Formats: sequence, C-alpha cells, structure tokens
Amino acid sequence: LAKTTQPISMDSYEGQEVNITCSHNNIATNDYITWYQQFPSQGPRFIIQGYKTKVTNEVASLFIPADRKSSTLSLPRVSLSDTAVYYCLVGDMSPAGGGNKLTFGTGTQLKVEL
Amino acid sequence: EPEVTQTPSHQVTQMGQEVILRCVPISNHLYFYWYRQILGQKVEFLVSFYNNEISEKSEIFDDQFSVERPDGSNFTLKIRSTKLEDSAMYFCASSDFEGAGEKLFFGSGTQLSVL
Repeated sequence: LAKTTQPISMDSYEGQEVNITCSHNNIATNDYITWYQQFPSQGPRFIIQGYKTKVTNEVASLFIPADRKSSTLSLPRVSLSDTAVYYCLVGDMSPAGGGNKLTFGTGTQLKVEL
Repeated sequence: EPEVTQTPSHQVTQMGQEVILRCVPISNHLYFYWYRQILGQKVEFLVSFYNNEISEKSEIFDDQFSVERPDGSNFTLKIRSTKLEDSAMYFCASSDFEGAGEKLFFGSGTQLSVL
C-alpha cells in the first residue's frame, strides 16, 4: 500500500474553501485515492474517490494531477460542522483487489471557526 | 440512505469474558470488515471477510478473535477472552464497487470497555 503524507492540522473559517493536499509518491497503477471524514466517536465516512483528473460530488472535489503522486481534497464553503479528521487513503480498490484492507494514517484535523 | 448498523453502541465487560459485537452490513454488499480505534489513536484494520471466509487479517486479529456471518444479514466479531488492551471503539464496514472503485461504509461503532 502506498504511503501517504498529509498535514496534521488545518484551521479555517466558515464560508471559506479548504484544500487539503495528500502526497502519495509511490502510488501504484491499480491504486485509487479515497478520502474519508471522521467525527469524534463515529465511524469514518466516505467522502470521495478518484483515480485520475478531477472528481466532484455534492460534498467535495478531488483534484488529481497527471502523475498521481498527490491529490487535493477541496471542500467549498466550509461550516462549523465540517470540523473533523480527514483521511487520505491510497490502495487497490478495483474489483480484482477487493476485500482490500485500508490503512488509515493520522489524518488531517480540520478545525473550522466562526 | 442505507447504512451499516452496529449493536450494542456500548459494551462493558470484565477481563476474561467473551463478547460478541454485532453488525448488519448494507444488504447488497459483499465485503465485510472489522476495524478498531483505541482512544486517540489510528483506525486499525482487523479483518476482511468475503464469500463466507476471512480474506485478510492483521496481526491484531489473533486466536482470541473470530468472525462469523451466521445468516444472510448479520456479521459478528467475537472476542473469546477479553483483555484490558481490547478496550476500543470497534467499527464494522461493508463495501461495494459502485463506480468501479471499492467504497467502504462504516457503522457508528461499538465502544468496548474491558474492566
């Protein structure tokens, strides 16, 4: 599994856009990039997943450059309720690699203030 | 929106006792997982389960642990003889491959306290 590096913490204010970048220099051909969010005493919650270029859903956008050695999770107009830990995970999430064990790092603690 | 359900939300037990943590995965999912998180630490993989057998397990998942899918809906984690260091939040997850990449959906967890 590719090792990931992301900032330990970030601070923001309500209404701002937050970009969290994750480095994964050793990403393999079959690896997907997946981001999860975790609130205290709750299970991780799937946010977004991508393989290359840009992916957008109702919650976030994920930007992946052509070399795939990094990715950026973009949260538009954050609110206080977006205060959470955000995890970047890289692994073979293809059906052939199914039953994949995800390795969670320490994640990025995002704190949103008024 | 379908969700993974875990019961109980809290479990207190004495050291050496057996506990069974229960999970109802999302109904059309085929892969099932248990993770745990000790307070203030990382989410750790325990075991993955597919087609009625363990597909992968971590070093944490020793002989004291077992998993079972006793029927078409439940997925259980049994700890035979609990230790103090088993105290943690245990998360069940299930996954599908909608959109090509596997996506895990986690339950809200069972907080296990071993006294």
